[in-house]
Amino acid sequence: AQTVTQSQPEMSVQEAETVTLSCTYDTSESDYYLFWYKQPPSRQMILVIRQEAYKQQNATENRFSVNFQKAAKSFSLKISDSQLGDAAMYFCAYRKETSGSRLTFGEGTQLTVNP
Amino acid sequence: GAVVSQHPSWVICKSGTSVKIECRSLDFQATTMFWYRQFPKQSLMLMATSNEGSKATYEQGVEKDKFLINHASLTLSTLTVTSAHPEDSSFYICSARTGPLNNSPLHFGNGTRLTVT
Repeated sequence: AQTVTQSQPEMSVQEAETVTLSCTYDTSESDYYLFWYKQPPSRQMILVIRQEAYKQQNATENRFSVNFQKAAKSFSLKISDSQLGDAAMYFCAYRKETSGSRLTFGEGTQLTVNP
Repeated sequence: GAVVSQHPSWVICKSGTSVKIECRSLDFQATTMFWYRQFPKQSLMLMATSNEGSKATYEQGVEKDKFLINHASLTLSTLTVTSAHPEDSSFYICSARTGPLNNSPLHFGNGTRLTVT
């Protein structure tokens, strides 16, 4: 079974600084997708960024970028120029190519942004 | 963009009663929806996959007779917590796949906070 591990229950960053959230996963599959979701206090799940395993290039969405290391099964999220609105719980998620969209989530990292 | 509406956003019920939670795709047809459960400060755990016109597929350890799922139309899936008990108190979130392909984007509802007294 696939597992997703986020080893940092809590992280904090100063506004305008950069922070990196860690995620590792375990799978025997070669084709899969990785995601970072943000869950603010409203509890709404918001997709931050997505990475296809077959792509070597790291995904980027404005201030959010990932460092995808397929061999190491590592998928970290870097948030640049952190903003107060970035404060939320962040979940790393895995989806197998043939899983029919079933997501396996990590335990989550609570990010605090200090003004 | 694709919108998933979940109703109610919160509900309080007495132990032994049943509660129905609705998940609607407002501007797209969702042949597949997913139901998750989230305890405070914990991750989302998949409970079941809801397929339109067929029986739901439950994850291991989830009681299908307790958590009844109905997906009678392409825009609506319901989760009924039957004979609710305090340990069923949790945050329930649905998500819907916006297309027929396995890699079609997923969108989440706003969740339902269930409190059983």
